[in-house]
Amino acid sequence: QVHLQESGPGLVKPSGTLSLTCAVSGGSVSSPTWWTWVRQPPGKGLEWIGEIYHLGGTNYNPSLISRVIISVDKSKNQFSLRLGSMTAADTAIYYCASYTATSPYFFDSWGQGTLVIVSS
Amino acid sequence: SSELTQDPAVSVALGHTVRITCQGDSLRSYYASWYQQKPGQAPVLVIYGQNNRPSGIPDRFSGSTSGNTASLTLTGAQAEDEADYFCNSRDSSGKLLLFGGGTKLTVL
Repeated sequence: QVHLQESGPGLVKPSGTLSLTCAVSGGSVSSPTWWTWVRQPPGKGLEWIGEIYHLGGTNYNPSLISRVIISVDKSKNQFSLRLGSMTAADTAIYYCASYTATSPYFFDSWGQGTLVIVSS
Repeated sequence: SSELTQDPAVSVALGHTVRITCQGDSLRSYYASWYQQKPGQAPVLVIYGQNNRPSGIPDRFSGSTSGNTASLTLTGAQAEDEADYFCNSRDSSGKLLLFGGGTKLTVL
């Protein structure tokens, strides 16, 4: 089971772009895994943002697809999230997580989460 | 379909049994996984696959599926089981990930 750690700014201005990174330790981003981002607005449920496979394929939440890019940096053993055109509705705890690529399918590791507030 | 539906809140008396359900068409193709989340903490996996518990999860947690409904059963609920519970699966296309809206479990 890998250890995941999010990093990035805790405050983003409206209309700005969020950039978060998830450092992977105890494993490799090159392993057959879906590297994912999930967010949780305060007091609400979990929302899947998107995922990237170790070979580079991506899937995104249709409601966010026009604003989101997930990428992998194998040299740094990390993966990243960019979310543009931020609004107050994007205020949330952002989690990085790993999701199994073969059955049974589940999230096998989670980062601790990082709170991102959208405010001027 | 691209939704998983959970009851928003469920309560159970201490020591009694409770079932938390998750409905969605994708569950006919994929098993649900279940996560416990306590305030201020990241989700924790409690059940995956047909009925598998990660190490460290008490055997009072169990899972099952019937048709388009997955269930998480807690047999002999303890005070420390009070938390939010979320189900998850792939959607029917296999390309998206879905979460249920979550069930807040209160242990009375």
